[in-house]
Amino acid sequence: AQSVSQHNHHVILSEAASLELGCNYSYGGTVNLFWYVQYPGQHLQLLLKYFSGDPLVKGIKGFEAEFIKSKFSFNLRKPSVQWSDTAEYFCAVNAGGSNYKLTFGKGTLLTVNP
Amino acid sequence: ETGVTQSPTHLIKTRGQQVTLRCSSQSGHNTVSWYQQALGQGPQFIFQYYREEENGRGNFPPRFSGLQFPNYSSELNVNALELDDSALYLCASSERQNYGYTFGSGTRLTVV
Repeated sequence: AQSVSQHNHHVILSEAASLELGCNYSYGGTVNLFWYVQYPGQHLQLLLKYFSGDPLVKGIKGFEAEFIKSKFSFNLRKPSVQWSDTAEYFCAVNAGGSNYKLTFGKGTLLTVNP
Repeated sequence: ETGVTQSPTHLIKTRGQQVTLRCSSQSGHNTVSWYQQALGQGPQFIFQYYREEENGRGNFPPRFSGLQFPNYSSELNVNALELDDSALYLCASSERQNYGYTFGSGTRLTVV
């Protein structure tokens, strides 16, 4: 069964700091990978996704993620965070094929102080 | 895009009762999935419907059931509610081919 681990439960940064959130998954086959964000009081929104091709994926709001197959990782990065990036971030994996189930990590709460 | 809409937004039920949650898929999406998000956890997959048939199920008991209608809207039914069923229930729709999942804002269910 597939599983997703997010290393940090809560990350606190100051504005303009760089961000990297870790995500590792366990599944030996082809995967599709996602990062979702949940701003306070809002629904889950897709930040970016990886299906195939270039392992460096660019998403919305200046976020990017790198798929490293050998490390089963899909870490999320942003060079300079803003106060408005305060939210909960979820990594998710889908094993592809006809199974469209998304398996989520437990999430990382990011707090950006002005 | 109309997005995914869920109703009601909040609900309080008594243990042992039954509940029905509703979801309207985003226009053009023919696949709908339901997730349970307990406090402090990531969403957990309940099941998925494609063309009105269940297309996959997570580790949830049979008292969790669903329907998908010809217009691709969906219902989640939970019978014999337990206290642990208290959670945020999320609906997500997608076009089968491109894995683009759009989530609704959820229904917050409290079982007392």
